[in-house]
Amino acid sequence: DAGVIQSPRHEVTEMGQEVTLRCKPISGHNSLFWYRQTMMRGLELLIYFNNNVPIDDSGMPEDRFSAKMPNASFSTLKIQPSEPRDSAVYFCASSFTNNEQFFGPGTRLTVL
Amino acid sequence: GQSLEQPSEVTAVEGAIVQINCTYQTSGFYGLSWYQQHDGGAPTFLSYNALDGLEETGRFSSFLSRSDSYGYLLLQELQMKDSASYFCAGGEGNKLTFGTGTQLKVEL
Repeated sequence: DAGVIQSPRHEVTEMGQEVTLRCKPISGHNSLFWYRQTMMRGLELLIYFNNNVPIDDSGMPEDRFSAKMPNASFSTLKIQPSEPRDSAVYFCASSFTNNEQFFGPGTRLTVL
Repeated sequence: GQSLEQPSEVTAVEGAIVQINCTYQTSGFYGLSWYQQHDGGAPTFLSYNALDGLEETGRFSSFLSRSDSYGYLLLQELQMKDSASYFCAGGEGNKLTFGTGTQLKVEL
């Protein structure tokens, strides 16, 4: 299996621009998670889906952030408009059980 | 809410044994997981304790005491490649809260 796939791996954009991050979970996994990691705040859960349905989005920082999972093999995290404080590494993870989550390589986002 | 605290940094020599502690305060708790993350990499799963006691996986062991809201990760026969950050994580079902992370430095 190819593991969790994320794109792009690096994104540099200017403040105010829309950013879309993409994730393909491991085939057969029924849960998908979006995390953000920064030095200041550590690894934070933004939102997670179960069977393509958003279950908990309490970690989404603001209305500028939105996430979708139109099918079992694809999810997006969108930031519109982006701000410099959104600069972070964004990880997507998927799982089949409650015990183990498989993380993608991450997208390093820099907002200038 | 959830809160998991870890020491920020631990240093040990190659071949030694090191213990990384995790104390937690959670409103709901299903079990304690441990993840390893190398610089520039993604977190990778190491172990999960659903019940009190010790779980052993090769050189790594993990312990949980629910009554003390405490757990630890034990790494034996340390190798240079074990230099990484280690996170405990807990929560309700799928919703994990990650600890503050411990940076382990293994020296010769």
